[in-house]
Amino acid sequence: EAQVTQNPRYLITVTGKKLTVTCSQNMNHEYMSWYRQDPGLGLRQIYYSMNVEVTDKGDVPEGYKVSRKEKRNFPLILESPSPNQTSLYFCASSLQGYSPLHFGNGTRLTVT
Amino acid sequence: GNSVTQMEGPVTLSEEAFLTINCTYTATGYPSLFWYVQYPGEGLQLLLKATKADDKGSNKGFEATYRKETTSFHLEKGSVQVSDSAVYFCALSAHTDKLIFGTGTRLQVFP
Repeated sequence: EAQVTQNPRYLITVTGKKLTVTCSQNMNHEYMSWYRQDPGLGLRQIYYSMNVEVTDKGDVPEGYKVSRKEKRNFPLILESPSPNQTSLYFCASSLQGYSPLHFGNGTRLTVT
Repeated sequence: GNSVTQMEGPVTLSEEAFLTINCTYTATGYPSLFWYVQYPGEGLQLLLKATKADDKGSNKGFEATYRKETTSFHLEKGSVQVSDSAVYFCALSAHTDKLIFGTGTRLQVFP
């Protein structure tokens, strides 16, 4: 089954404790992206990757890192999480940047 | 810059009622337009799309027509069901490397 898989689904952590949210797709898509969803703000892009080893900042990249060492994986790293990063995070992929996106089921992160 | 504006929700309807969710956009050139749907506890999934003016996208009884003269892409359904309860996002792609989303509209359908 074609899918984007994120883990974990739920994560509660404390300020400053490094964490990684994994994302993997099995559709051989070139493009991958991370979004955060907050009430009243919709989806905002954090980082995206057009291809392996190519990443770029989205609209809200501060406090986040990504890497794209393999085509299928695109982890999101929070080196020192803060409470304002409490949010619902989505990974998505597509054939190309402007193609329809396939989304994972989300990771709900709470930073206390 | 490019942007999408959606009507605020929630939209509350009885089953079998007619649905309209308004979406207008600002963009240079000729963007592609999309509606995504997010069911509770899930990620977004593509509902329908239109890639040029006057195109009509349709899926699962939902329709939206790309109106360049009014820069709109309103979502409609003739008869909603309880199972249509979800959050609906309008989005555009100006053929760059990103989709721009609206803030989402929650639809609640009651039996």
